[in-house]
Amino acid sequence: DAKTTQPTSMDCAEGRAANLPCNHSTISGNEYVYWYRQIHSQGPQYIIHGLKNNETNEMASLIITEDRKSSTLILPHATLRDTAVYYCSSNNQAGTALIFGKGTTLSVSS
Amino acid sequence: GAVVSQHPSRVICKSGTSVKIECRSLDFQATTMFWYRQFPKQSLMLMATSNEGSKATYEQGVEKDKFLINHASLTLSTLTVTSAHPEDSSFYICSARGPTGQGATDTQYFGPGTRLTVL
Repeated sequence: DAKTTQPTSMDCAEGRAANLPCNHSTISGNEYVYWYRQIHSQGPQYIIHGLKNNETNEMASLIITEDRKSSTLILPHATLRDTAVYYCSSNNQAGTALIFGKGTTLSVSS
Repeated sequence: GAVVSQHPSRVICKSGTSVKIECRSLDFQATTMFWYRQFPKQSLMLMATSNEGSKATYEQGVEKDKFLINHASLTLSTLTVTSAHPEDSSFYICSARGPTGQGATDTQYFGPGTRLTVL
């Protein structure tokens, strides 16, 4: 079973920041948290990952709480093309592969 | 960098036939590749982990004799669905563990997926 839980869906207005939360209270101390997104009928696209520190790249920012029990993916200026299913993921029990929960469907509207 | 391709993107076959799907890492070598399956409106389900030069590790409930995986080189893994049936119709997605030096070595990069329809 996935070790992450996310809200089923979220809405965001175009141009505004989209903040997508993820609960991962059971991941171990050395496990990274990865974020991917999937547009309909395509493979998942890597967005960002982190361990303890907040991270930022050209796509998004990742804020991880100090206790590592949750994180938030931030898309600073959402566009219509950011409409997708966003997955917060971590390793399976064997630590060998990423497993995915149900994700959050983000709908960006004008 | 870290591009993964899949071929074919879409395949339709008759029940009882076998279908081979290729997954390639185009600009890096991948000692480990992964195969996932995704049914409509559901999340990705890990099927197996493929290691170059050794046997694949299958997840519980995945039939290894039905889903044959070969990882013969550092850039190619294949998934063969043998004796396909309509219930095998799904979206099959591969991924490859990214090259070292690009952040955490566990980062997986996904292919575009293969839509299999069994009639």
